[in-house]
Formats: sequence, C-alpha cells, structure tokens
Amino acid sequence: DTGVSQNPRHKITKRGQNVTFRCDPISEHNRLYWYRQTLGQGPEFLTYFQNEAQLEKSRLLSDRFSAERPKGSFSTLEIQRTEQGDSAMYLCASSSPRGVNSPLHFGNGTRLTVT
Amino acid sequence: AQSVTQPDIHITVSEGASLELRCNYSYGATPYLFWYVQSPGQGLQLLLKYFSGDTLVQGIKGFEAEFKRSQSSFNLRKPSVHWSDAAEYFCAVGAPSGGSYIPTFGRGTSLIVHP
Repeated sequence: DTGVSQNPRHKITKRGQNVTFRCDPISEHNRLYWYRQTLGQGPEFLTYFQNEAQLEKSRLLSDRFSAERPKGSFSTLEIQRTEQGDSAMYLCASSSPRGVNSPLHFGNGTRLTVT
Repeated sequence: AQSVTQPDIHITVSEGASLELRCNYSYGATPYLFWYVQSPGQGLQLLLKYFSGDTLVQGIKGFEAEFKRSQSSFNLRKPSVHWSDAAEYFCAVGAPSGGSYIPTFGRGTSLIVHP
C-alpha cells in the first residue's frame, strides 16, 4: 500500500491558463473521488468514479472542469480558463471494492494558485 | 441533501485535558458518519467511522465517538489530549452512491493544544 499519489504538489498558473492534475489511487482501489478544499473550509465533493465510469458530479463542477479515468486506474482533473476563484487544494481519494464501508484514503493534494 | 455542522471553529485545550468536538448532521436516512484529521499541508486521515451497530465507536490514536440519533450528533472525544493531536478535525456524513458512499464534510474544527 503506497498510498494515494497526487501530482504536482503545487501549481501556480496565470488566470486563463489550463491546468491538469493527476491522481494515482491505491492499487486495486476501484473507487476514486475528487474534492476541493479552500482555506478554512472542509473538502467539497467534485466528482466520483467507479472504475472508469463517472457516477456522480457536483453542481460545483462547472463546464470548465473535466475529470477522466480512462482505464479505471489513474485519474486526471483538468481546469480550463482558470479563474482566481479556482485557487484551492484539490484532493483525491480512493477506496477498495471490498464492501460498502471501505474507508476513503486521501492523497496529500495539489495546491493550485491562480494569479 | 445531507449536511454537517461543526459549531466550533477553534478549540483550545491544555495537554492532558479531555476533549470533545461537536458534530451535528442532517440526513434523511440512517447515516454513515466519519471523523477525519488533517495536519497542515497533508491529506485527510480517517480516525473512525460509524455505519451501524454499537453507537460508541473506537478509533485510532485513542479517539472515540458516539452516535446519538435523537440529537443527530456524532461528537468526537478523547480522554487525554497530546500535543501531537493539534490539527484540523473534520466530521463527515456519507450518502450512498453506486454501492459505496460519498462523504459530505463539515467546515472543520481547529484544535490547539497548550503545553
């Protein structure tokens, strides 16, 4: 169990640029979640995959945001035409297919700063 | 839709003192409930979870929580706090989705430990 890996750890970009984050879940975890966390707040749900299928999307996920998990392994989260309000920590989590009560394992996140 | 309220933004305790962090949830069915801890710049670590059964749940690092349906609460407790417990604590309620669940988090409580 090497843990959930997120890259990059930090990203600074200018407003209007596109950014892409990567999440590598724990091996054999078929469920993968993306959350966004702003300063002083709890994580807010963005989207959820089971294998390669995107089963849930939050209203927070505007059309500038897109997430993929093409082979049911790693996932990418892309933000197009970034805005200053997109500055946040983006967290990825995964969980095992063994039972409905499998806990979520979180990565250390990617901190995005939009200037 | 489910929601979580953590009424205390900051809690300050002395090392060795007891601790109780409050959490109230809103959910129409039997909830899945969780407490997570987050150290600065890190992801979230699961402390404990409740799905069913015994309403007093034991977790890691000496933490416990009690589910009280009548009060819609899931308060976190520890009998003796250590300086290393200083962190951000998040309560979450899980909504079933596709054979799993999607946690909704509260805004968090920051724990400060005085020597």
